[in-house]
Amino acid sequence: SQKIEQNSEALNIQEGKTATLTCNYTNYSPAYLQWYRQDPGRGPVFLLLIRENEKEKRKERLKVTFDTTLKQSLFHITASQPADSATYLCALVRGVVGGSQGNLIFGKGTKLSVKP
Amino acid sequence: DAGVIQSPRHEVTEMGQEVTLRCKPISGHNSLFWYRQTMMRGLELLIYFNNNVPIDDSGMPEDRFSAKMPNASFSTLKIQPSEPRDSAVYFCASRSQGEQYFGPGTRLTVT
Repeated sequence: SQKIEQNSEALNIQEGKTATLTCNYTNYSPAYLQWYRQDPGRGPVFLLLIRENEKEKRKERLKVTFDTTLKQSLFHITASQPADSATYLCALVRGVVGGSQGNLIFGKGTKLSVKP
Repeated sequence: DAGVIQSPRHEVTEMGQEVTLRCKPISGHNSLFWYRQTMMRGLELLIYFNNNVPIDDSGMPEDRFSAKMPNASFSTLKIQPSEPRDSAVYFCASRSQGEQYFGPGTRLTVT
């Protein structure tokens, strides 16, 4: 079965530095991969989606890469700020069922702390 | 739009009692998901519906868990009887295209 690993449970960095989070998966390459942000006491919030035929996707200070050979996605936050402190989850689509997109499988997340 | 609405936000109940969690998805979204989140296991999919029809319920842990979606604007997740190990945060999410929109969750504590 498909498994997802987010290498670090926690990552501490200094404000202004680039945070890099890793998501590795086993077995088949998903059609696309998503990244979510979760703050304490709240539900996950969608950030970025990258498809299997895309190498890189950017949104403001966020950048996601997708390497189907390595079976890995990297999530970067440049010029990090204390407000970026949160748990970041990666998720893979499980497949297509009956012509519609299947469900997502989530990693356990990496808790990022950005110190001022 | 108000986003995905879940109720109650917190539920404390005694072991053996029935618990019903409610969800109103975003209008126009045709897929609805129920998740459970714990520190140990992370975010786990319990069941998901497409156009009100259950598509995958392989994540439902036991027969004590059941979910319904009688119409496009309402879904329930029921646990009967509840057990202490069911204590977790339960999220509902809805989707129209790729990304999912999560509700605020229901924190369930079973004593």
